Amino acid sequence: KAGVTQTPRYLIKTRGQQVTLSCSPISGHRSVSWYQQTPGQGLQFLFEYFSETQRNKGNFPGRFSGRQFSNSRSEMNVSTLELGDSALYLCASSLTSGGGETQYFGPGTRLLVL
Amino acid sequence: AQSVAQPEDQVNVAEGNPLTVKCTYSVSGNPYPFWYVQYPNRGLQFLLKYITGDNLVKGSYGFEAEFNKSQTSFHLKKPSALVSDSALYFCAVRDTGNTPLVFGKGTRLSVIA
Repeated sequence: KAGVTQTPRYLIKTRGQQVTLSCSPISGHRSVSWYQQTPGQGLQFLFEYFSETQRNKGNFPGRFSGRQFSNSRSEMNVSTLELGDSALYLCASSLTSGGGETQYFGPGTRLLVL
Repeated sequence: AQSVAQPEDQVNVAEGNPLTVKCTYSVSGNPYPFWYVQYPNRGLQFLLKYITGDNLVKGSYGFEAEFNKSQTSFHLKKPSALVSDSALYFCAVRDTGNTPLVFGKGTRLSVIA
């Protein structure tokens, strides 16, 4: 089975721009979660989608948004980029949501904001 | 809200020696702890998790973890470390109900030949 794929892998943007990142989950997985990883803050949860519904949202400003499509693919959008948004954005998928369900991670999208 | 503590930023061990990477957690309901590993410029790889049953959980690449409910700990262990085990290790936990997976800060493991 193919793993979680994320596109693009690398991205350079300037302050004030917006960006859209894409995540394709493992076939059959209905839950997709997004995380931001930075050296200072570590891994921080952004949001989780299950069957096109947002189930959880982390403590990030409204500039960060996401959605999930009927085929379980997910996108996240960051508007009005700030320098501090530079990070590795990781997507993870799982069969269902919650409890002991294992999340499988993609390779990430590295975003650099100049 | 749940939280995870990994008290060591860095663990150094000689190749062939046993290794332990520590993790404690805090949840309000039943805990579901996990271990993941991250190699440079890669995403996270799942190692193992505890759901129920035997407190000693065996996972990938010879790793195991001991679940201790009274001490709220889930330490990662390996009997004999390899140089290739050098990586960043993350402990994570999910609480019962509709809660997200929360990660610790990570512990960098360095295995020296």
